[in-house]
Amino acid sequence: EDQVTQSPEALRLQEGESSSLNCSYTVSGLRGLFWYRQDPGKGPEFLFTLYSAGEEKEKERLKATLTKKESFLHITAPKPEDSATYLCAVQPYSSASKIIFGSGTRLSIRP
Amino acid sequence: GAGVSQSPSNKVTEKGKDVELRCDPISGHTALYWYRQSLGQGLEFLIYFQGNSAPDKSGLPSDRFSAERTGGSVSTLTIQRTQQEDSAVYLCASSLKEASGRAFYNEQFFGPGTRLTVL
Repeated sequence: EDQVTQSPEALRLQEGESSSLNCSYTVSGLRGLFWYRQDPGKGPEFLFTLYSAGEEKEKERLKATLTKKESFLHITAPKPEDSATYLCAVQPYSSASKIIFGSGTRLSIRP
Repeated sequence: GAGVSQSPSNKVTEKGKDVELRCDPISGHTALYWYRQSLGQGLEFLIYFQGNSAPDKSGLPSDRFSAERTGGSVSTLTIQRTQQEDSAVYLCASSLKEASGRAFYNEQFFGPGTRLTVL
């Protein structure tokens, strides 16, 4: 069964304290892996798409990496405005449409 | 430009009533998705529309749920005989059509969601 597991469920960091969020996945052939950011009361906002193991993408203080079993979202020197829930999702080859989301990591950055 | 809009933003209804949720996708986006997000949970795929193709309804949890997309644009998600377990945030997303080759998938743009509460 295709599934996505994110850890930790919640993470509290001090401003400037770098860390990583984990997304472990099991899928019968990976079309792509996606990271989204979701602020309270809003819909998710697209961050990255990764297609194959070894691929990396960066945006400001965020860097996403991908292996055959998991993806990491690295946050370098975070600021309070980086506080949000970060969602990971995968699209299997078996489906042209279905996207499977993890339950997210709630990130809080203290000033 | 305008993003994805959804209405209403909040809906409170009584158990057993029918509700309709509306999604206006970004103009020109041919793909449209509906998801459900329960408190503290990830997004649950419900249904997918792509152009004039038959929709992928594989995520609909029961036959009380249905959706249509008129003219390839606006979509309506209907829940009949609502139950308390239907309470959740319903999110709509749109994207450009899936491209060929490596860039098979385009980023999804989400609306703000409709918070449904069934009493």
